[in-house]
Amino acid sequence: QSALTQPRSVSGSPGQSVTISCTGTSSDVGGYNYVSWYQQHPGKAPKLMIYDVTKRPSGVPDRFSGSKSGNTASLTISGLQAEDEANFHCCSYAGTYTHWVFGGGTKLIVL
Amino acid sequence: QVQLKQWGAGLLKPSETLSLTCAVYGGSFSGYFWSWIRQPPGQGLEWIGEIYHSGRTNFNPSLKSRVTISVDTSKNQFSLKLNSVTAADTAVYYCARGQFQRDYWGQGTLVTVSS
Repeated sequence: QSALTQPRSVSGSPGQSVTISCTGTSSDVGGYNYVSWYQQHPGKAPKLMIYDVTKRPSGVPDRFSGSKSGNTASLTISGLQAEDEANFHCCSYAGTYTHWVFGGGTKLIVL
Repeated sequence: QVQLKQWGAGLLKPSETLSLTCAVYGGSFSGYFWSWIRQPPGQGLEWIGEIYHSGRTNFNPSLKSRVTISVDTSKNQFSLKLNSVTAADTAVYYCARGQFQRDYWGQGTLVTVSS
């Protein structure tokens, strides 16, 4: 049982937009602006896509954007492309005892 | 270009100690936290712990009693030890740079615990 709740899967057609949610509590997602998102293709290491809720590392397309409302963070991918099909994991800071928690991951299917 | 390369035993028996090392090539070793994260087969990621270059550590409370993370700044390496492993510790183990943004990752090591 992961600390953060993500949908098991989401899907969309090429060119469409999809949003992946990541729900926590006021002790993690809702309490800090330290949510990050990672893309993971099968058999590969995760890749940082978003950090500090909304920031994009250099090299990540601006089709990927992050946001947060209350205890739920979201990753939106616009202009879906076939290569976006992967698993996406959210992560949040959770204070000085628990430190870091992850979601269970969401499989993005590009139809 | 920063690269993290990790190694360690891939097959353990229950009650043995898992031992992995991650070497950092390129970039600065100082000024960063260095993390260990694992992923059981078909499941999500789990944060294990992290170490600052100075040796300061933070651990997942659920694993803290069994985990040791150490650093060797002379070799730009950091290591993970997890003792008394069980089948539940079977996972791909990753090393990574950073805390708030884990921007570089090792290639992953599959560790299987089986009698």
